Amino acid sequence: NAGVTQTPKFQVLKTGQSMTLQCAQDMNHEYMSWYRQDPGMGLRLIHYSVGAGITDQGEVPNGYNVSRSTTEDFPLRLLSAAPSQTSVYFCASSLDSNSYNEQFFGPGTRLTVL
Amino acid sequence: EDQVTQSPEALRLQEGESSSLNCSYTVSGLRGLFWYRQDPGKGPEFLFTLYSAGEEKEKERLKATLTKKESFLHITAPKPEDSATYLCAVQALGNEKLTFGTGTRLTIIP
Repeated sequence: NAGVTQTPKFQVLKTGQSMTLQCAQDMNHEYMSWYRQDPGMGLRLIHYSVGAGITDQGEVPNGYNVSRSTTEDFPLRLLSAAPSQTSVYFCASSLDSNSYNEQFFGPGTRLTVL
Repeated sequence: EDQVTQSPEALRLQEGESSSLNCSYTVSGLRGLFWYRQDPGKGPEFLFTLYSAGEEKEKERLKATLTKKESFLHITAPKPEDSATYLCAVQALGNEKLTFGTGTRLTIIP
């Protein structure tokens, strides 16, 4: 199993540009989530999904969209990038929402918005 | 609002020098407290889940304990490969969201 994969590893955007961060898992996990990690802030939940077709907002959802058309994929879309979205983004998955605490994290995407 | 405070922010130990990391938390009914390890440039890696006060879990040189207000991650006779940032998170009852602390950066000097 490849586990949780994320692409790209690094990205530089200009203010106002849009992009999609890709996340995929091959463990047949139902629960997937997106976090951002900023210095001194800890990991913060952006959006999460308890299964295909179901998504919900986390702690810091503004400026981000998600969709879950398949069990495997959970892309994160930045609609109009802002410098405040400069961060490291992690995708995570777990078997289901009951045991989602045992999350498997991807390697992260480091995003810089100029 | 759920809160997690980890201390110290950074800790440097000599190889073999045992110590403890602290995670203090405030939550309206604890569903679970979690410890993760994060290496530089990588995603967090799950270590332990603790559910109730008095519970303990061990993995190699690590032992996690839980009280009603805090958790400790004890590291016994650490090795350089234990160097990492250790993250603590809590989940409240009826809530699917995890609240993370900012972590303790642990460095083990050979």
